Amino acid sequence: RKEVEQDPGPFNVPEGATVAFNCTYSNSASQSFFWYRQDCRKEPKLLMSVYSSGNEDGRFTAQLNRASQYISLLIRDSKLSDSATYLCVVNLHGGSQGNLIFGKGTKLSVKP
Amino acid sequence: DAGVIQSPRHEVTEMGQEVTLRCKPISGHDYLFWYRQTMMRGLELLIYFNNNVPIDDSGMPEDRFSAKMPNASFSTLKIQPSEPRDSAVYFCASGLAGGGAYEQYFGPGTRLTVT
Repeated sequence: RKEVEQDPGPFNVPEGATVAFNCTYSNSASQSFFWYRQDCRKEPKLLMSVYSSGNEDGRFTAQLNRASQYISLLIRDSKLSDSATYLCVVNLHGGSQGNLIFGKGTKLSVKP
Repeated sequence: DAGVIQSPRHEVTEMGQEVTLRCKPISGHDYLFWYRQTMMRGLELLIYFNNNVPIDDSGMPEDRFSAKMPNASFSTLKIQPSEPRDSAVYFCASGLAGGGAYEQYFGPGTRLTVT
């Protein structure tokens, strides 16, 4: 089983739609979780961290379910500029930057 | 402040040639990472340094790959000899230690094509 799995998509949605991505991770000892965003032919950039209680940043909501070992990202009122690949990232052991494991990403395309 | 700087941005070389990729991390960051990204395998960590010391190189594919960090502001990733399967985008990233602050700042990447 892969350490971090995501549906590769693509998710094709109209502007204004709500879209949700899920990600599962295999190591139950994983400590911390993130979503990164990567635009086409660009570098990944941190979108948001994911906290156990769930957290929201504007139109973006991230949630963590430790029991089921999955992480979700919800985008409301999607914009054309949200088109990108969203990478689920898991820190396996905590305490060190070097243990980040990246999923392969879910591609989102928002259409007018 | 400038972000992570990588050079070259594009490299096309023939199989068997030596390739050297360069990275300048963000000033003050004490972690430096080298990643490789392909469609098939996604983003893979190759090696990372903390305070210029290599901490984990288990992701380095084989002996043809080597990385150095002679000082806090410069690192290289070398492939010798290069092979077509090394074609990928190579990212360098840097970050800060402590406090659970795991944001990594990526450079623009080097797109390597080995023919």
